[in-house]
Amino acid sequence: DTGVSQNPRHKITKRGQNVTFRCDPISEHNRLYWYRQTLGQGPEFLTYFQNEAQLEKSRLLSDRFSAERPKGSFSTLEIQRTEQGDSAMYLCASSPRQEETQYFGPGTRLLVL
Amino acid sequence: AQTVTQSQPEMSVQEAETVTLSCTYDTSESDYYLFWYKQPPSRQMILVIRQEAYKQQNATENRFSVNFQKAAKSFSLKISDSQLGDAAMYFCVQQGGSEKLVFGKGTKLTVNP
Repeated sequence: DTGVSQNPRHKITKRGQNVTFRCDPISEHNRLYWYRQTLGQGPEFLTYFQNEAQLEKSRLLSDRFSAERPKGSFSTLEIQRTEQGDSAMYLCASSPRQEETQYFGPGTRLLVL
Repeated sequence: AQTVTQSQPEMSVQEAETVTLSCTYDTSESDYYLFWYKQPPSRQMILVIRQEAYKQQNATENRFSVNFQKAAKSFSLKISDSQLGDAAMYFCVQQGGSEKLVFGKGTKLTVNP
């Protein structure tokens, strides 16, 4: 059983560019979550999906952020017009059903110059 | 709103000794879950232990155990027979009323040989 995978693992971009991250959950996990972790802090919730439906979004998810899970399997998180404040680790997690443990991927570390 | 407070930014322990990490939380939910997650340096977040709030019995997982004091909203983690591989950032986490996880700021544990 493979774990949650995320690509790319690292991304360096210039301010104003768009970036897209991908998350592949554990097979048959219908719930998928995105979190953001800045240096020295605990992760903060961004959004989650049950299958292809996006059921909850944090206020942290500004208009420049969009997440999709079109077929209920992998998910993408896009950040448009990146800002230096977007520099962080973006974590993805999945779980098989409500109130079950969330399993985390290795994260994508974004640096905006 | 749910909050999680970890008052110890850093802790250290000698190999083979016991250490306790503190956590307090606040919630208005009657049904919730508490977790300790571990994040080793440059490695992914993994679950250490999970506690359902409706269970009075403290959860244990090999060398890891919790002291869950529901009335005091306290949830501490005890690590017995500490090993070098236990060195990591430990996050106290709450989930209730929503599927999102709410993380504390973390406690960095150093294990001295």
